[in-house]
Amino acid sequence: NAGVTQTPKFQVLKTGQSMTLQCAQDMNHEYMSWYRQDPGMGLRLIHYSVGAGITDQGEVPNGYNVSRSTTEDFPLRLLSAAPSQTSVYFCASSFSTGGGGYTFGSGTRLTVV
Amino acid sequence: AQKITQTQPGMFVQEKEAVTLDCTYDTSDQSYGLFWYKQPSSGEMIFLIYQGSYDEQNATEGRYSLNFQKARKSANLVISASQLGDSAMYFCAMNRIQGAQKLVFGQGTRLTINP
Repeated sequence: NAGVTQTPKFQVLKTGQSMTLQCAQDMNHEYMSWYRQDPGMGLRLIHYSVGAGITDQGEVPNGYNVSRSTTEDFPLRLLSAAPSQTSVYFCASSFSTGGGGYTFGSGTRLTVV
Repeated sequence: AQKITQTQPGMFVQEKEAVTLDCTYDTSDQSYGLFWYKQPSSGEMIFLIYQGSYDEQNATEGRYSLNFQKARKSANLVISASQLGDSAMYFCAMNRIQGAQKLVFGQGTRLTINP
């Protein structure tokens, strides 16, 4: 099993550009989520989904869009990149109760110049 | 709202010693889960251990155990016989078992194991 696959691993954007961070899981998990990690801080929730067609905002949703058309995929879209969005982005998935732990992707390091 | 507090920004421990990483939490939920994750310098997030709020026994996974004190709202991670490879950032996190599965993280503790 591949687990949670994130692409790309690294990305440099210019201010104002848009892009999509990809996340795919092959574990049939209902729950998927996006986090960002900034230096000296823990992970903060951007958006999450409890199943195909269902998404909701987390703690820091501004500037990001998500959709979930399939169980497997949960892309994160940056609409107009800003330097404040320079961060490491993690995608995670789990079964509904989360008791087995959330599986994280390897992360995407995004720099906005 | 749920909140996780990790009060130790950094810890230094001699190899083979046991180490306790502190975690306190705040929630009004009756059913919740507590997690510990390890983040080595390579950056990936590695799941270590889970404790449900209704579990009466402390969770254990190999050298890791979770010292769960519900009344004090603490969920400390204990690593026995530390190894050089244990040097990493450690994050405590929690979620609500029913409903939306949002995982809330603390700020982390950087653990350094000295030879």
